[in-house]
Formats: sequence, C-alpha cells, structure tokens
Amino acid sequence: GENVEQHPSTLSVQEGDSAVIKCTYSDSASNYFPWYKQELGKRPQLIIDIRSNVGEKKDQRIAVTLNKTAKHFSLHITETQPEDSAVYFCAEGGTGTASKLTFGTGTRLQVTL
Amino acid sequence: DADVTQTPRNRITKTGKRIMLECSQTKGHDRMYWYRQDPGLGLRLIYYSFDVKDINKGEISDGYSVSRQAQAKFSLSLESAIPNQTALYFCATSKEIGEQYFGPGTRLTVT
Repeated sequence: GENVEQHPSTLSVQEGDSAVIKCTYSDSASNYFPWYKQELGKRPQLIIDIRSNVGEKKDQRIAVTLNKTAKHFSLHITETQPEDSAVYFCAEGGTGTASKLTFGTGTRLQVTL
Repeated sequence: DADVTQTPRNRITKTGKRIMLECSQTKGHDRMYWYRQDPGLGLRLIYYSFDVKDINKGEISDGYSVSRQAQAKFSLSLESAIPNQTALYFCATSKEIGEQYFGPGTRLTVT
C-alpha cells in the first residue's frame, strides 16, 4: 500500500532562516503532492501543491520540489517568520476513481526570535 | 471556514458506548473523508466516500462505521467505543483529487 515518510519530525529555526521538510513515497503511480499547515488548535489547510508534470512550484516564500525518479518531494520555506510556526504535513495521491491522499506523520516547525 | 462543519466539537464518553460524529458541507463536493489524528501519527484515513452510493474503507476502519446520508452529510460511528479511540477526528471534503477542505475537528475522549 501507499506509504509516506516525512522528516524531520521537529525542526527549530531562527527567524529569517530557511526551513526544509522532506517526504518520500513508495507508490510510483502517485502524481499529486500537497502540503498542509496546521496551526495549534486549528484544522489543516492546504498551503501549496504540485502535480507530477512539474518539478518545482513557488508561491512567495514557500516552494515545493519534486523528484519523481527518487520518489521524494520537499517543502522549502524561506525568510521564516514566527507565524510559520505550525505542524506541516505532506501527502501523496494518485489519479483515478480510487484516488485518495496518504499523509505523512507531520513536522513541527518552531521559528524562534 | 464554515463550509465544513462537525458536531459535536468535543465529546467525552465511556467505554462501550455508541457514539456518532457528524459532518456537513456546503461546498457541493462529492468526496468526503474521515480522518483520525494522533500525536506523532499524522492524519490517518478511516473511511471515504466519493458519492452517496460509494463507501470505502481507509487504513484504520476497524471499530468504525460510516453513513453517507446525502451529498452534504457524512457520519462516523463508533459502535462500542474503547479508550484507544481517544483522538481528534477530522472530516474533509474535496471536489476530485485535489485540495481537501477540513472541518474544525471533534475531540473525542473515551474513558
């Protein structure tokens, strides 16, 4: 079945530094890779996603890169700010009528002043 | 985001009791999901439904059942609650394979 490994489980960076979270997946049929942010006590919300026909996507300070050959994808946050502190989840999914998402175990990012 | 709502938001129940968690959405999405969140384990899929007549087991369906009463409503039941079902439960919806919109969550405690 599908499996997504996410690392690290916790990450502490100083404000202004960059943060990188990595995920690996096992299903070669996967072609959709979203990232969700969950602030304390809140629901997960999509922050960026990428499909397998592109290798990188950027949205202001966040970017996602995908290496389909190696089956891994990464979230990059530049110029981190205190409001970036949250738990981040990667996920993977495929197409077709049976498609659904499998989530990673999450990374708790702490941005310190 | 009031488009996806869950009731109750918090519930404490005793071992062996039957409990139902309800989810409603006004986004008009066909796909609905129930997840369970435990510290360090991420979001694990319990059941999902791609339309009113479609119900599928997720990775941790044992001890749970669901009902899709309408396009907008998807309920999760614990027939006989046990303490290790204590968790945060999220409902979510999506149009197709793409962004999932989560409800606010239900915090369930089984004593």
